[in-house]
Amino acid sequence: DAGITQSPRHKVTETGTPVTLRCHQTENHRYMYWYRQDPGHGLRLIHYSYGVKDTDKGEVSDGYSVSRSKTEDFLLTLESATSSQTSVYFCAISPAGGGSRGLQYNEQFFGPGTRLTVL
Amino acid sequence: RKEVEQDPGPFNVPEGATVAFNCTYSNSASQSFFWYRQDCRKEPKLLMSVYSSGNEDGRFTAQLNRASQYISLLIRDSKLSDSATYLCVVIFNNAGNMLTFGGGTRLMVKP
Repeated sequence: DAGITQSPRHKVTETGTPVTLRCHQTENHRYMYWYRQDPGHGLRLIHYSYGVKDTDKGEVSDGYSVSRSKTEDFLLTLESATSSQTSVYFCAISPAGGGSRGLQYNEQFFGPGTRLTVL
Repeated sequence: RKEVEQDPGPFNVPEGATVAFNCTYSNSASQSFFWYRQDCRKEPKLLMSVYSSGNEDGRFTAQLNRASQYISLLIRDSKLSDSATYLCVVIFNNAGNMLTFGGGTRLMVKP
């Protein structure tokens, strides 16, 4: 299994509080991603990073910010959590982010997930 | 219309059966295709990449039909342990490095 950990694994918080989720990898992969998974919506990309301090928005980035100060860590922050952000959050890593290097470089490997409940 | 569509199922099949899932995608400018498997309350795990010529991995066969814009997954000799949700995933050319996921097809293999 790819070396990806997420912390915390479960969190319950109240509306309006800040929350930070951490993704840590030991694979030295360049690309890291944050997704959320909700019933009826499947997996949706929040933000991704293509290198240290290089990040970009995904499909559902409103209300979220990210930071990547080291190759191995990618943080997802909810500045002021809302009940609509109750979800399961998955981090993923990839050696490459698309392009023509071959399928094996585009494959993404997921962390175990964080279940976040905002009351 | 969603960019990647799957029949949500569930597909209920007996052990030993052969079952096939299709996945259609809306954008012909697509780059890469994958099947992921997700067990209940677990993370998605890569099952197999889908190559243009089709590929097989044990009991699993993946096919790509670019003309009709679909990919398929065939599972032969189903096992109880194959029960899971199967996610179709596409990387579109105009989406850089973003994966687009289908909603998943749930498979339940019964004794």
